[in-house]
Amino acid sequence: EDQVTQSPEALRLQEGESSSLNCSYTVSGLRGLFWYRQDPGKGPEFLFTLYSAGEEKEKERLKATLTKKESFLHITAPKPEDSATYLCAVINTGKLIFGQGTTLQVKP
Amino acid sequence: DGGITQSPKYLFRKEGQNVTLSCEQNLNHDAMYWYRQDPGQGLRLIYYSQIVNDFQKGDIAEGYSVSREKKESFPLTVTSAQKNPTAFYLCASRTSGGAYGTGELFFGEGSRLTVL
Repeated sequence: EDQVTQSPEALRLQEGESSSLNCSYTVSGLRGLFWYRQDPGKGPEFLFTLYSAGEEKEKERLKATLTKKESFLHITAPKPEDSATYLCAVINTGKLIFGQGTTLQVKP
Repeated sequence: DGGITQSPKYLFRKEGQNVTLSCEQNLNHDAMYWYRQDPGQGLRLIYYSQIVNDFQKGDIAEGYSVSREKKESFPLTVTSAQKNPTAFYLCASRTSGGAYGTGELFFGEGSRLTVL
């Protein structure tokens, strides 16, 4: 069964403390992996698309990487404004599948 | 500015009532989607439409209905048949290329429905 699992469910960091969020997937025919940021009570905001193993993309303090089984969202020297829920989603040959998300809290 | 507008942001409904959530986009996207989001769960697809006057059921379509009479608009009706309608509803759109091509989805700000 196609599945997307994000870990940890929740993460608390001190400002400046770098860490990584994980998105592991088991899907047939992966066609793309997306990362979104979602603030409370808001719609998800698109961050990155990754298409093939080895691909990396960066945006400010965020860097997304992709392997054949998982993706990491690395957060370098986070700030309180990076606090949000980060969603991962994958597309296989017929479906878009979302993970449950990782809620990140960055304390000053 | 281009984007997706959902309304209302908050909606309260009595049991047995139908309610309609609005979704309008000015991104000139062909495909539009409705998702439901519950705490601790991933987004679940309700309905999607690839083109005007055509739409398909998603994973949890029971108790919901949609229409796509204009490219810009994709309203969702939550009917009294939906057993547990209290949730956060998200509308999204993307450029053409099939129901699940490789392009990213763009989301609206969401509508929170509460059944009293």
